[in-house]
Amino acid sequence: DGGITQSPKYLFRKEGQNVTLSCEQNLNHDAMYWYRQDPGQGLRLIYYSQIVNDFQKGDIAEGYSVSREKKESFPLTVTSAQKNPTAFYLCASSIEAGRSSGELFFGEGSRLTVL
Amino acid sequence: AQKVTQAQTEISVVEKEDVTLDCVYETRDTTYYLFWYKQPPSGELVFLIRRNSFDEQNEISGRYSWNFQKSTSSFNFTITASQVVDSAVYFCALSEALNSGGGADGLTFGKGTHLIIQP
Repeated sequence: DGGITQSPKYLFRKEGQNVTLSCEQNLNHDAMYWYRQDPGQGLRLIYYSQIVNDFQKGDIAEGYSVSREKKESFPLTVTSAQKNPTAFYLCASSIEAGRSSGELFFGEGSRLTVL
Repeated sequence: AQKVTQAQTEISVVEKEDVTLDCVYETRDTTYYLFWYKQPPSGELVFLIRRNSFDEQNEISGRYSWNFQKSTSSFNFTITASQVVDSAVYFCALSEALNSGGGADGLTFGKGTHLIIQP
């Protein structure tokens, strides 16, 4: 079945460590996105990519990094510079890039807890 | 800048009651898209509906209906005869077609409404 796969589903990390969240899609979508969800805050955009080897900062990019070496993959690294990394992270994709008129397809999310 | 407001943080109703989730948006664009997503406890957001700014017709899909009113910048969502399976967090979202606000790509989400349907 086509869809978006995020891993790991749950992740614990110590302060000062970098951690990478995986996001893979087999929908052949051009655009991919990373959102962060905090209780009572809704979803906030971290980074997005409209095409391979290109990505743009979203509203809360500080302390995060991404890469887009392959169309189907858009991993997110939460660095030690991110002051409050404990959150639920959602990856999404859409058929075409640009100001989205199309729906976003979401993965099941990765819950990161910093100990 | 675009903004989506869902003033209801949490709503609790008894099964079979009707419930309306409010969504108010702000945008400078004349062409934009509005969405509703459902997030069940599993975490994955599920697409419910997309509406473009030129189509103000209300839409009904089974027990779900949406009321889009440009005059009040609202896009409200009603569940008729609610069921326990409707319990979830519901998000309203906005996308500007022309990016006149200079913001990032993707959708702008409201903070969500947690809907609890009691048996």
